[in-house]
This record gives sequence, C-alpha cells and structure tokens, in this order.
Amino acid sequence: EAEVAQSPRYKITEKSQAVAFWCDPISGHATLYWYRQILGQGPELLVQFQDESVVDDSQLPKDRFSAERLKGVDSTLKIQPAELGDSAMYLCASERSTSTDTQYFGPGTRLTVL
Amino acid sequence: GIQVEQSPPDLILQEGANSTLRCNFSDSVNNLQWFHQNPWGQLINLFYIPSGTKQNGRLSATTVATERYSLLYISSSQTTDSGVYFCAVVPGTGGFKTIFGAGTRLFVKA
Repeated sequence: EAEVAQSPRYKITEKSQAVAFWCDPISGHATLYWYRQILGQGPELLVQFQDESVVDDSQLPKDRFSAERLKGVDSTLKIQPAELGDSAMYLCASERSTSTDTQYFGPGTRLTVL
Repeated sequence: GIQVEQSPPDLILQEGANSTLRCNFSDSVNNLQWFHQNPWGQLINLFYIPSGTKQNGRLSATTVATERYSLLYISSSQTTDSGVYFCAVVPGTGGFKTIFGAGTRLFVKA
C-alpha cells in the first residue's frame, strides 16, 4: 500500500540553527500539505501545494519558514533560524485532488529546539 | 473563519463499551474527514464524509450538513481504539484551507 514518506523522524537542534524536513507524497497525488501540531492540539495548516504551486500559505511564518515543491512531487520545509517555540510535530499529507478527497498523512517529524 | 468544536474533549471507556463523538461546525463545508491519531502520532483517515452515513467495521459516521454536525460511532471498543480522534473540515466558501478540531482523547481500559 502506498504511503507518504517523511524524514527525518526526529530532529533535535539548537535555537538559531537551520532545519529542513522532507516529504514524498503518494505517487499521483497532486495536492501536498504541511501541518504543524503542537502537543495537545489539532494540526494547523502551514502550506498547501497544488502540483508545484502554493494554494495557501497564510499561516506560514514567512520570515523564518519556507517551503518548496519544485517538480510537483516531493517537498521540503525549512526553518531558519529555529526558535524554541518551533518545537512541534511537523506532518505532511497528500491528496489526489484539492480538498475533495481523503488526506493521507506521513509519520511526521518531531522537532525539538533547545 | 469557520469554527470546529469537538466533544467530549476526553473520554474513558471500558473495553466493549460503545461511544459517540461529536463534531460541530459553524458554517457550510465542502469536505469533512475523521482521523484517528495513534499514541505514536500517526494520523489515519477513518472517513471522508461531507454528508450522509458510512460504516467500516465497528466504526460508523454520520454527517448532517444542513444542521452542521457530524457524529463518529465506535461500537464494542477495543484498547487499540485509544488515541485522539480529529474532525477536519474544508469550508464551503473562502478557499480550500483544512481546519482541524481540537480532538477527542479516548482511552479504552482493558
């Protein structure tokens, strides 16, 4: 069964350092999502791609976060510089078509900023 | 923007019991999904159900879009049902952004 892949699974970094997360969606899925989940809360959408285009990035802190999906397949989310408040689970999901189907989630990357 | 409220926030069940989880939303939706997050953090989709009723084994869900709520039923609960259940919606107007509720934390005792 096809799955969404994410790496790394865990990342510990010091504040002011740069971190990057990678996501490979299910083959053929045009829509890719990055979410941030703080402990005890529901996931919050950071950025949504349709193929290589950004559909929504209204909640992405653009002064320090960036996301790209250059060839409309895999995607990278970067934080530079990391802050203590960025400690969270970062989840990637993919979907066949935007907002009209089921989202499939990867295992997530748990980030700890010291 | 749209508000998504889930109840109850926490639930403890004895194995074998039945339960109903509720998701209320404040505006029309194009998409509603139920997810289960296991203790390791993996989110598993349970139902894509913007309207109507669906069943999958011991789980079933009903969405009454005109009254802006959805229900998730768990029958004969098992310890493996423990975790957090999330409702997620895409509003009917104003874009494609997915909004998650705060979740219902379920613990099933053996």
